Amino acid sequence: ETVLTQSPGTLSLSPGERATLSCRASQSISRSSLAWYQQKPGQGPRLLIYGASTRATGVPDRFSGSGSGTDFTLTISRLESEDFAVYYCQHYYTSHYGTSRFTFGPGTKVDIK
Amino acid sequence: EVQLVQSGAEVKKPGESLKISCQASGYSFTTYWIGWVRQTPEKGLEWMAMIYPGDSDTRFSPSFEGQVTLSGDKSVNTVFLQWNSLKASDTAMYFCARRIFSSAGDYFDFWGQGTLITVSS
Repeated sequence: ETVLTQSPGTLSLSPGERATLSCRASQSISRSSLAWYQQKPGQGPRLLIYGASTRATGVPDRFSGSGSGTDFTLTISRLESEDFAVYYCQHYYTSHYGTSRFTFGPGTKVDIK
Repeated sequence: EVQLVQSGAEVKKPGESLKISCQASGYSFTTYWIGWVRQTPEKGLEWMAMIYPGDSDTRFSPSFEGQVTLSGDKSVNTVFLQWNSLKASDTAMYFCARRIFSSAGDYFDFWGQGTLITVSS
């Protein structure tokens, strides 16, 4: 099973600053299997990025995803007040036996400095 | 507009049974998988299982197989997550989410608002 690690655990920034969030996989994974979500308190996660770099419908272009192999990055170019939230990466895996599994990283909290 | 609306919070005792629901609207219910994800402060987000409402095919995470049951009712565009005997460790927030499975990726594009389950004696 591929384990996802996210860093940092918490990122304290001011509005207007750039946020760089890391997601590292324990083994090389395909770009198509990596997604990013945003979660605010009391809400379900919101899809931001799929296929490592494709923005979901309605996601502002200040959000971008990049990376390959084991290292992936979510960048928020200029933080706005509504961007302070927790961000998760997610990997989809299918074994040789056809077993499907989704795994999530532990999350990075972006809070106001 | 795609929406997934989940049933309300529940407080149950250990050993009791429970069935929670997720009603979909705004898309063709039978042609997308719906997954269930558990969230706790200790373990974060954990994928539990998913169901394809078109034929009720199911897939389970090994961690949850045998612990929960999935079902669906096409007449009301609703999927269900069921426990026969709850444990205190089932206390969590549970989300349903629509799965997108394509060459571009495999992910959940719309999520329900969550159902909080509290199991306590």
